[in-house]
Amino acid sequence: GAGVSQTPSNKVTEKGKYVELRCDPISGHTALYWYRQSLGQGPEFLIYFQGTGAADDSGLPNDRFFAVRPEGSVSTLKIQRTERGDSAVYLCASSLQWGDEQFFGPGTRLTVL
Amino acid sequence: GDSVTQMEGPVTLSEEAFLTINCTYTATGYPSLFWYVQYPGEGLQLLLKATKADDKGSNKGFEATYRKETTSFHLEKGSVQVSDSAVYFCALTPNNAGNMLTFGGGTRLMVKP
Repeated sequence: GAGVSQTPSNKVTEKGKYVELRCDPISGHTALYWYRQSLGQGPEFLIYFQGTGAADDSGLPNDRFFAVRPEGSVSTLKIQRTERGDSAVYLCASSLQWGDEQFFGPGTRLTVL
Repeated sequence: GDSVTQMEGPVTLSEEAFLTINCTYTATGYPSLFWYVQYPGEGLQLLLKATKADDKGSNKGFEATYRKETTSFHLEKGSVQVSDSAVYFCALTPNNAGNMLTFGGGTRLMVKP
């Protein structure tokens, strides 16, 4: 069956621009997670959704970052006024329920010039 | 806060050699422990896990034992193959505060024929 998909696979933008990154979880998975992986480091937690609501957004680095999941399936991570330090691979994962195994997507590589 | 420390790579081995990748953690309570693997060009995949002290996780010839007394979860394999070349991440989830993953920095394994 289809796994977690993320689009685009690569995104290059200029400093100060707005970007949206999309995640399609595995069908039927209620929990969805966003992580950020900087070069040479392990992924870092950003935000977690249970259904439509953000259950924990403690990992978002500042108020330029925002994520939504309006219908409890697809999620969009939004970054305003991008900075060069935002360059990283953004990973999405989903799980059937809270506490179950997380399945990861291939990631979106964001480069801010 | 919770943290995971794993040995820096790259680790370079010849085929059929014995592999150990060290991982230690800092966490309150009784976390669950994981090893994830990232093959070239692919997303993160769960390799094995252990949810309580003295549990041994195993998969594809890899093993790791949850040692609470030493706060460790070292990954081992008796005979590596070229196809095991990948980046390995040790991770934990807190047992009492959600299941967002905290990752170590990753260890790149290169197996030469």
